[in-house]
Formats: sequence, C-alpha cells, structure tokens
Amino acid sequence: DTAVSQTPKYLVTQMGNDKSIKCEQNLGHDTMYWYKQDSKKFLKIMFSYNNKELIINETVPNRFSPKSPDKAHLNLHINSLELGDSAVYFCASSHSSVPLETQYFGPGTRLLVL
Amino acid sequence: EDQVTQSPEALRLQEGESSSLNCSYTVSGLRGLFWYRQDPGKGPEFLFTLYSAGEEKEKERLKATLTKKESFLHITAPKPEDSATYLCAVQFIQGAQKLVFGQGTRLTINP
Repeated sequence: DTAVSQTPKYLVTQMGNDKSIKCEQNLGHDTMYWYKQDSKKFLKIMFSYNNKELIINETVPNRFSPKSPDKAHLNLHINSLELGDSAVYFCASSHSSVPLETQYFGPGTRLLVL
Repeated sequence: EDQVTQSPEALRLQEGESSSLNCSYTVSGLRGLFWYRQDPGKGPEFLFTLYSAGEEKEKERLKATLTKKESFLHITAPKPEDSATYLCAVQFIQGAQKLVFGQGTRLTINP
C-alpha cells in the first residue's frame, strides 16, 4: 500500500506550458505539503495545507497554485512553465499541523522544462 | 537567517568502517531536528526525531545525537545497503511546522 503517492512520476514539457501534479495520501493525515528539490538536492517547502486550508505559503511565484479538494489530496498547478522550474517536486503529509509531527514523503515528480 | 549545514557533502567508506555525519544549525530557537534517508529516485524516508540537547536515538546501525548547535548521525559497521543520501531537517520555534533541510550527505559504502 502506497502511503503518499504522486502522479505523474516524470513530466517533460515545453517552456510556457501549464501542467499539474497530483498527490494523494491514504494515511488519514490532516496536513499535506509541497516541497521542491533543486539540482543541488536542497529540499525547500513551498506550501502546506491543513484540512484543505492553506497554512504555509513560502515565497513562491504566483504561477504556482496549490489546490486541496479534500484532506487526502493536494494538487499543484504550474502556469507558464519556465526553465528554472525544472526540479523534483515532493508531496508530504503529517498527522496534523502540530509542530514536530513526522512528515512522510511521496516518491517525487521529476519535472523537466525544455 | 535560520540555516542548516551538513558535512561532509559526500563520504565513501569501506564496509564495516564506522563514521559520523554532521548537521549544524544556526537558529533562533530549535523545536526539533529530523533525520531522513533518501535513496536515488525516491522520496525521503523518516529515520529519527530529536527534541532536546543530550538526546540519542538508535535504529540498527544508526545512532543520532543532538547538542545545542549540532547533531551527529553515527554509522557503526555500515553495510552497502546503508548507501544513500542522509538529510537533516530542523523545525524552528518561529517556523511552526516548516522543516528547513540541509543539503544532505551522500554516503557510499563499498563492499
């Protein structure tokens, strides 16, 4: 059973396109996150949702828009893709938004913008 | 600015050769420190959470320790399957549940 799953696993697209990445967790967690891992392997948080409510919104371009239809799903839509958006995007979830809850990560979506 | 730095960036060991990885942080207030393991092409896998200076946690050949300014991940008699990138992440008091990650240490264990 996959706890945190993401689709697609790989995404290759042209500059200027719009794309979406989907994330689902079957752990019964209330809080979900999007992270970006760049070529230097730094993982940096982008967004966090708790029970469909946005609670963390780091300095991310407006072209990135997260959407949480329910607490088991958190999608990431990216408009007008740029070369610098190429990275691995990880979804994660935790039991709640209480500090020190363990975050469990998905397998990642590898985005390549040409 | 709160920062997390890991060293070394890469480490090669022979099977059975023990060593330690370092995670240091400059922080206004530490809430907790997490260690994750990441295999190539996969997401980070949770290993430990440390909450206060002096705390230690163990799992198989791994032991994590925490001081006021740094954490160590000690690897005792490693095996090739311990090869991975080890990530340290810190949660700061000011940052709610946000994790700030270091750049990782890429560990290779040669048979």
